Amino acid sequence: EDQVTQSPEALRLQEGESSSLNCSYTVSGLRGLFWYRQDPGKGPEFLFTLYSAGEEKEKERLKATLTKKESFLHITAPKPEDSATYLCAVRNNTGKLIFGQGTTLQVKP
Amino acid sequence: DADVTQTPRNRITKTGKRIMLECSQTKGHDRMYWYRQDPGLGLRLIYYSFDVKDINKGEISDGYSVSRQAQAKFSLSLESAIPNQTALYFCATAGTLDTQYFGPGTRLTVL
Repeated sequence: EDQVTQSPEALRLQEGESSSLNCSYTVSGLRGLFWYRQDPGKGPEFLFTLYSAGEEKEKERLKATLTKKESFLHITAPKPEDSATYLCAVRNNTGKLIFGQGTTLQVKP
Repeated sequence: DADVTQTPRNRITKTGKRIMLECSQTKGHDRMYWYRQDPGLGLRLIYYSFDVKDINKGEISDGYSVSRQAQAKFSLSLESAIPNQTALYFCATAGTLDTQYFGPGTRLTVL
């Protein structure tokens, strides 16, 4: 069964304190791993797509990496405006997206 | 203007009522999706459509129906709403690269 597990469920950081969010997956024929950011009461906002092990993508303070079993979202020197829920999803060989439950990040000034 | 819009943004209704949620997009995408989001359960796929003549069930389609009126419009109906359909509902669209772009959501409460 295709499955996505994100950890931790919640993460509190001080401003400037770097950390990583984990997304572990099992999927029948990976056709892409997606990271989204979701603010309270809003729809998920697309961040990155990764397709193959070893691939990395960066955007401002965020960097996503991919291995054959997991993906990490590294947050370098976070700011309070980075506070949000970060969702990971994998696309399987039927084209469907399977989402994890998300990691809620709080960055305190 | 937003690329993916949903109406209404909030709706409170009673058990047994018929409800329609609407989604419109200006991205020119062929693929459209309906999800629901519940605390602790993440996003789950209800229905999806790859073009106007194509409708497919997702993992939790029971109690829901959809209509793809045009490339840009995809509606979700609850024929007879029940309290456990209280949730956040999101519409999403995708083009050939398969990245899905989400609307702002509809918060539905069924009393």
